Amino acid sequence: GQNIDQPTEMTATEGAIVQINCTYQTSGFNGLFWYQQHAGEAPTFLSYNVLDGLEEKGRFSSFLSRSKGYSYLLLKELQMKDSASYLCAVNGFQKLVFGTGTRLLVSP
Amino acid sequence: NAGVMQNPRHLVRRRGQEARLRCSPVKGHSHVYWYRQLPEEGLKFMVYLQKENIIDESGMPKERFSAEFPKEGPSILRIQQVVRGDSAAYFCASSPLQGGSSDSPLHFGNGTRLTVT
Repeated sequence: GQNIDQPTEMTATEGAIVQINCTYQTSGFNGLFWYQQHAGEAPTFLSYNVLDGLEEKGRFSSFLSRSKGYSYLLLKELQMKDSASYLCAVNGFQKLVFGTGTRLLVSP
Repeated sequence: NAGVMQNPRHLVRRRGQEARLRCSPVKGHSHVYWYRQLPEEGLKFMVYLQKENIIDESGMPKERFSAEFPKEGPSILRIQQVVRGDSAAYFCASSPLQGGSSDSPLHFGNGTRLTVT
């Protein structure tokens, strides 16, 4: 089966750092994606990990440990516009399976 | 380059009517995925298609729902005899590769918000 877990909601302050965790158990694994989705809009691609380790892209970094079935998304220097849902998704057998998403609220 | 185009953006149907949702993938993308999203929830996989073929429809209810991706034209998700529980946002995504990769992630359309009254 497929099981992807993320916290439902997180809050943080502008300028701070926040880490959003994702654990997964899937029947196949061909990479893990993080997407950002603002309310009422399409998900947009943030990062991709297929090997263990950290991928850095500006203010966003993503980490993967395949042996632990674990990933996190790190957001630095938070801005108000980062308030959105963050979706963890695993490329399993033939399709992308999404977790329920983490709603991040950034306050001034 | 145009992204994934979905129409209509909003669709209102009465119970028992048919809903037809259209998706034009990014030019050159042959892999199309349909997802359903309820308010405050994640994306639930419905169906994966390549040109003229359904590859995986394990997330799509067997009754009332069908999908196609013809050789010419957009992909269509059809819901017959809609019920209130079908009200949701339906997102289409496309990719040049199965499941996507770093260079070719899934690109999503803006979705169709279906409301059944």
